Amino acid sequence: GAGVSQTPSNKVTEKGKYVELRCDPISGHTALYWYRQSLGQGPEFLIYFQGTGAADDSGLPNDRFFAVRPEGSVSTLKIQRTERGDSAVYLCASSLNPPSGRAGELFFGEGSRLTVL
Amino acid sequence: GNSVTQMEGPVTLSEEAFLTINCTYTATGYPSLFWYVQYPGEGLQLLLKATKADDKGSNKGFEATYRKETTSFHLEKGSVQVSDSAVYFCALSDGSARQLTFGSGTQLTVLP
Repeated sequence: GAGVSQTPSNKVTEKGKYVELRCDPISGHTALYWYRQSLGQGPEFLIYFQGTGAADDSGLPNDRFFAVRPEGSVSTLKIQRTERGDSAVYLCASSLNPPSGRAGELFFGEGSRLTVL
Repeated sequence: GNSVTQMEGPVTLSEEAFLTINCTYTATGYPSLFWYVQYPGEGLQLLLKATKADDKGSNKGFEATYRKETTSFHLEKGSVQVSDSAVYFCALSDGSARQLTFGSGTQLTVLP
């Protein structure tokens, strides 16, 4: 079956522009996560959705970052007024709900590489 | 807060060599521990996990033992193959299992 799909795979934008990154999780996975990976670093947690609601958004760095999942499937990460420091690979992952007993078995997409010039 | 420290790379080995990638962690409570692997051009994949002290996770010839006394979860493989070339990430999850905290990754290259 299909894995987690992320689009675009690469996005180059200019400082100050608005960006949307899309994630299509594995069918049937109700939990969805966004992580950010800077060069040479491990992924850092941004936000977790359980169904349509953001159950934990404690990793979002500031109010320029926002994510939605209106129908409990596809999610969009939105970044306003992009800054050069936002350049990173944005990873999406999904899992069965809840992950109890299978803690951390997340299925990751290949990521969207964002470059802010 | 939680943190994971893993052996810096890159690591280059010859085929059939023994592999160890060190990982230590800091966490409150009793986290679950994981190794994820990222092959070239692919997304992160779970390699193995351990959910309590003294548990040993294993998969594809890789092993790691959850050592609470040394707060470690070192990854080992007795005989690496060229196909094991990838980036390896050690990670932990807190009690809610909603967040993974990752180490910075170790690039492994296995030469024929």
